[in-house]
Formats: sequence, C-alpha cells, structure tokens
Amino acid sequence: GAGVSQSPRYKVAKRGQDVALRCDPISGHVSLFWYQQALGQGPEFLTYFQNEAQLDKSGLPSDRFFAERPEGSVSTLKIQRTQQEDSAVYLCASSPGTSGLFQFFGPGTRLTVL
Amino acid sequence: TQLLEQSPQFLSIQEGENLTVYCNSSSVFSSLQWYRQEPGEGPVLLVTVVTGGEVKKLKRLTFQFGDARKDSSLHITAAQPGDTGLYLCAGAGGTSYGKLTFGQGTILTVHP
Repeated sequence: GAGVSQSPRYKVAKRGQDVALRCDPISGHVSLFWYQQALGQGPEFLTYFQNEAQLDKSGLPSDRFFAERPEGSVSTLKIQRTQQEDSAVYLCASSPGTSGLFQFFGPGTRLTVL
Repeated sequence: TQLLEQSPQFLSIQEGENLTVYCNSSSVFSSLQWYRQEPGEGPVLLVTVVTGGEVKKLKRLTFQFGDARKDSSLHITAAQPGDTGLYLCAGAGGTSYGKLTFGQGTILTVHP
C-alpha cells in the first residue's frame, strides 16, 4: 500500500489478556517508531527500530510491553496482561532514513481494556 | 526530559479569521514538525523545519522556527471549516534518529 497500515483498528481486551498490534510500514522505510496517544493528549514515544534492530525502548511503560521487527519490515507491539491504564491509541510511524525528519503515521489501533 | 508547551489548547473561530498556534520549550530541538490529526486517524505531517529562523509557507499556513530552535509557531490566514482538527507540534532532539517529543495539541474549530 501507499501508506502505513495498522491492524486491528480497534481492539477490546479484558484486563489480564495479551494483545498484539501490527504495523505495516511504507515499503523500504528504514525507521519505525511506536507511539502511545492517550485521549486528548499528544503522542508519546514508546520505541524505535532501525531496520530489525531495536535501538531505543526507553518509552515502554513496563516489562509487559514488548516490540519486535524481525525482518526489518512489519512490526508487532505486544502487551501482556493488559491493564486499564493501557487503554489508548497506539500509533506506528515509519521514516525513509535514519534522521526521522519525515515520519509518516498509520491510523492507529485504539485499545480499550475493560 | 524535553517538554513542548503548546498553546492555546482550544481555539474556536469564525471562517475567514486568522489564528496563530504557539509551541514553546526550554530545550533546543534539531528539527520541529507540525502535524494535523483528525478523529480516528493518525497525524498527518504538514511541515518539517530544521534551521533556526526558518519560515515555510504552505498555501494559507505559515510555519516559523525560532532563532534559538526552542520555539515554533503556526499561523493560518483566512481559516476555513476544512482546517478544523487537532494540530500537533513535535520536536526532535537528543537522539540521532528523530525521536519526537509532542506538544499536547491545539483543537481548532472553524465555524462556517
């Protein structure tokens, strides 16, 4: 596709369930970012990949959050034992180079934890 | 920790009016990006500014990066209802790969 795609678009989970969120970046983009956006707030950085290498995971809120990009393309953000405070929109962005100057965002996955 | 303060948080104006959104920080950023986000969608990149004092114009939108690269503004001339949305500024700094720090956003409503 022409842009960044994310799936599912909406996810409802019961507290304690594990979830997996998928990001398909723009083909050929080296950099991939995950951000978390709470209602009424700006996005907050979670983690960064350069190709398949996870170079920064300083924004992950806890060890329940795990991200991977094994072949340097598709990425998955996994949240184990979901909590209500994990409810947010999870955004993925990709960038063609390593400077991050031009980040193109997907539509996001809205996660609701009941 | 780098923080970006964005103001105003809410802006409600009539079609045809001008407006300015501000983005301020005590930190220096290597670049600053402005995004527009509509409900249920991801942010859409409007512009990237990288040079202190830089001014970029995109039709009715004018973006300015402060000389010290700590602040930025977005000015919209003759606003239209189609400009309605959430405007976000985001600064890159402290890393080589463009990790972004976002402001909290400005919700703009333009009434016909």
